[in-house]
Amino acid sequence: EVQLLESGGDLVQPGGSLRLSCAASGFTFGSYAMSWVRQAPGKGLEWVSVISDNGGSTYYAGSVKGRFTISRDNSKNTLYLQMNSLRAEDTAVYHCARGLRGSCYSSLDYWGQGSLVTVSS
Amino acid sequence: DIVMTQSPDSLTVSLGERATINCKSSQSVLYSSNNKNYLGWYQQKPGQPPKLLIYWASTRESGVPDRFSGSGSGTDFTLTISSLQAEDVAVYYCQQYYSIPFTFGPGTKVDIK
Repeated sequence: EVQLLESGGDLVQPGGSLRLSCAASGFTFGSYAMSWVRQAPGKGLEWVSVISDNGGSTYYAGSVKGRFTISRDNSKNTLYLQMNSLRAEDTAVYHCARGLRGSCYSSLDYWGQGSLVTVSS
Repeated sequence: DIVMTQSPDSLTVSLGERATINCKSSQSVLYSSNNKNYLGWYQQKPGQPPKLLIYWASTRESGVPDRFSGSGSGTDFTLTISSLQAEDVAVYYCQQYYSIPFTFGPGTKVDIK
C-alpha cells in the first residue's frame, strides 16, 4: 500500500525557516517524481514544487522560487521541502504527492494527509 | 502561467441526477507530439487530501466509479458525474500539468439538493 507521511510543520515567525519531510512507503520511491502542493486555510490548492525521480530536475511556483528548496534522499525514501524567509501567506497545509513514474509532467495519484505550517508572530 | 478557470463555483444536484463541471485553460494543454491533454481532475472531501479521479483529461484512475467521466481537449474540459451519489459531495479541482508552474482551478463545490 502506498503511503506518504508528512512531518515538520510548526508555528514559525515571519522570516523564519522550516524543513518539511515526507516519508514514502509501499512503492519504489526512486522511480517517481514527487511534488509539494499546499492549501491555505479554507482556500484552494496551490502547486508548490516538483522534483524528478533522480533529483536532477527541480521546478518551483513563482511565489516560492528562491525561498523554498525541494530535495529527496532516495536511500531513505524521503522527500523534503526546505522553506526559508517564510511569510504569512505561506501559512497552509503542505501535502506531498506522487507523480508518474519517470516524469515531472504528470498528474498526482497519491497524496499525504499534509503538514500544517503557520507563519505568524 | 496557464490560468485555470472553473464553472460553476458551486452546484446543487439531486441524488441520481447529472452534475457537470467545466474547466478552461488560458492556453492549450494538448501536447501535439503524443496527442495527450495534460489535464487532471481531483476530488477533495472535507478534512481529506485530494484524490485523483481523471488524468490525461479522460482516463479514469483505477478504482474510481464509472459514473465519473472526463472529456474535452485543448482548452475546454468537462467532468461529469452521471448519477450523483451522497458520497460525491466534495470540492472538485482541475489541474494542468502541461507547463510549469502546474496550476489548479479554483474548485467547484458540489452539494446535494
